Amino acid sequence: DAKTTQPTSMDCAEGRAANLPCNHSTISGNEYVYWYRQIHSQGPQYIIHGLKNNETNEMASLIITEDRKSSTLILPHATLRDTAVYYCIVRVAGASYDKVIFGPGTSLSVIP
Amino acid sequence: GAVVSQHPSRVICKSGTSVKIECRSLDFQATTMFWYRQFPKQSLMLMATSNEGSKATYEQGVEKDKFLINHASLTLSTLTVTSAHPEDSSFYICSAFGLNEQFFGPGTRLTVL
Repeated sequence: DAKTTQPTSMDCAEGRAANLPCNHSTISGNEYVYWYRQIHSQGPQYIIHGLKNNETNEMASLIITEDRKSSTLILPHATLRDTAVYYCIVRVAGASYDKVIFGPGTSLSVIP
Repeated sequence: GAVVSQHPSRVICKSGTSVKIECRSLDFQATTMFWYRQFPKQSLMLMATSNEGSKATYEQGVEKDKFLINHASLTLSTLTVTSAHPEDSSFYICSAFGLNEQFFGPGTRLTVL
């Protein structure tokens, strides 16, 4: 079973920041928070991951609470192409044995 | 970045026939590959874990005799859907573990008539 909970769906106005929350209250000390997204009829795309520090790359920022029980993915300026299902996953990094188990994710709709 | 390909991207077959889907890691060696299935409006469901040179490990409820997995090399895993039926119509996605990370393929759309 997935170890995270996310809202089923969210809307965001084009050009505004999209903030996608994720709860992972049972995360273990060696587990990272990963975010992927899936645009319709495509394979999942890696976005970002982190352990406890906030992370930023060219796609998004990841804010992890100090107790690591929740996190927020931020798309700073959402575009129509960011409309997708976003999956928050916790797993051990660099471990082939730790399977990526997908929950339902959050369906983000970016509205013109 | 690392690339994983799948072939074919879409396939239509008649009921009762077998279909083979290939998953390749193009620029890295993958010790482990995973196969997922996704029905419309649902999330990805892990079907099996494929390790090079050994038997695949199937998730609970997945029929190993129906979904044959072969991982003959460090860059290729194949999924064969045997005696396909319309209920096997789905989006099949593979992923490959390498370079300390997991990379996903673009998916294969299978339609069984």
